[in-house]
Amino acid sequence: SQQGEEDPQALSIQEGENATMNCSYKTSINNLQWYRQNSGRGLVHLILIRSNEREKHSGRLRVTLDTSKKSSSLLITASRAADTASYFCATNAGGTSYGKLTFGQGTILTVHP
Amino acid sequence: EADIYQTPRYLVIGTGKKITLECSQTMGHDKMYWYQQDPGMELHLIHYSYGVNSTEKGDLSSESTVSRIRTEHFPLTLESARPSHTSQYLCASSPPTSRQNTGELFFGEGSRLTVL
Repeated sequence: SQQGEEDPQALSIQEGENATMNCSYKTSINNLQWYRQNSGRGLVHLILIRSNEREKHSGRLRVTLDTSKKSSSLLITASRAADTASYFCATNAGGTSYGKLTFGQGTILTVHP
Repeated sequence: EADIYQTPRYLVIGTGKKITLECSQTMGHDKMYWYQQDPGMELHLIHYSYGVNSTEKGDLSSESTVSRIRTEHFPLTLESARPSHTSQYLCASSPPTSRQNTGELFFGEGSRLTVL
């Protein structure tokens, strides 16, 4: 079964607007990570939040984690056309080795200039 | 930029051919992974290794095999390619776990395989 499921599947916004993507998961986790993938390229790690953390910031990125609801959100503020990419959440399930990740289906973000 | 390299980036071959996808990293990471990704879809772990001479199958069953003879090298082989193997294959690595490193992955650019 899918561990990480993302919502929405696709998001289209104007430059300068904020973009919010959500991720839900099923089992307990050690940490949850967000990755970015430009079309036809590999994934780039954006931010990691541990299971005992509730919120984390990195530049224009803000991640929240609600372990009671088994959900996370990624907020990109003041979006730019260069933010256009697919964004994936990935969970490291509790009881598994760090580094073994289960990925969601991703959200395709399009930022129009 | 991560120092992890995959070759070839693109490969188009006929059914029945043997192929090897190369993956090398220069970061000294002990853990390496292969993920399979169909267009617009999530990644699925097909193989992983925690060090030299260590290989394990991932969550998604795959007919491919891997080897880890050197820390920096983690090739994936398909003995007889079929159209169902058409996909993108992504190699990744991660450093030893510590308070600072809790399992984030560094990815290569991927190898897109098309089997005719």
